[in-house]
Amino acid sequence: NAGVTQTPKFRILKIGQSMTLQCTQDMNHNYMYWYRQDPGMGLKLIYYSVGAGITDKGEVPNGYNVSRSTTEDFPLRLELAAPSQTSVYFCASRQLTGSGNTIYFGEGSWLTVV
Amino acid sequence: DAKTTQPNSMESNEEEPVHLPCNHSTISGTDYIHWYRQLPSQGPEYVIHGLTSNVNNRMASLAIAEDRKSSTLILHRATLRDAAVYYCSDSGGSNYKLTFGKGTLLTVNP
Repeated sequence: NAGVTQTPKFRILKIGQSMTLQCTQDMNHNYMYWYRQDPGMGLKLIYYSVGAGITDKGEVPNGYNVSRSTTEDFPLRLELAAPSQTSVYFCASRQLTGSGNTIYFGEGSWLTVV
Repeated sequence: DAKTTQPNSMESNEEEPVHLPCNHSTISGTDYIHWYRQLPSQGPEYVIHGLTSNVNNRMASLAIAEDRKSSTLILHRATLRDAAVYYCSDSGGSNYKLTFGKGTLLTVNP
């Protein structure tokens, strides 16, 4: 019963490096989301996807890119990492049903840019 | 995007009920109201959701105002394990753009 799986869990990047945070869900959910959470703050939406091949910007998309080639995977790419991108990143998925739409979150990826 | 507002923090004593308020004055008529909580160093987890009627589950109760502009998450007997940040949210509207407010930090005193 994997749910939403994020990798890596921890990563240290140097300024200017690039990396991809992986997110996979095994629940066949159409909707997937990437959030970042700075220390002591709430969740900020980076990008989201309503299905394979469809992505859209959230509240804080600058410095990030996403793709959704399959239903299961929603990777988040950081290009030219900056210290301001030091944060915890959460991936989430959900499937709309008639009774509501529970959201499932991954365990988070802790990223430090130095 | 519909927005929610919550108090920054609340405090309770163990074994006492806790009422966590949320205002969602711009929520659309078809959006569900969701509550999630985040324990320290963990991802958010689902607590409860509802549309118009009050809802109960094993974790909590959700009371929704008749005009749906506000809701209250009720923890009937707070425990130390309920200390967390609680977020309310709507479904994200017609484009499913799901955003969260800053949440309420609940402190439970022994």
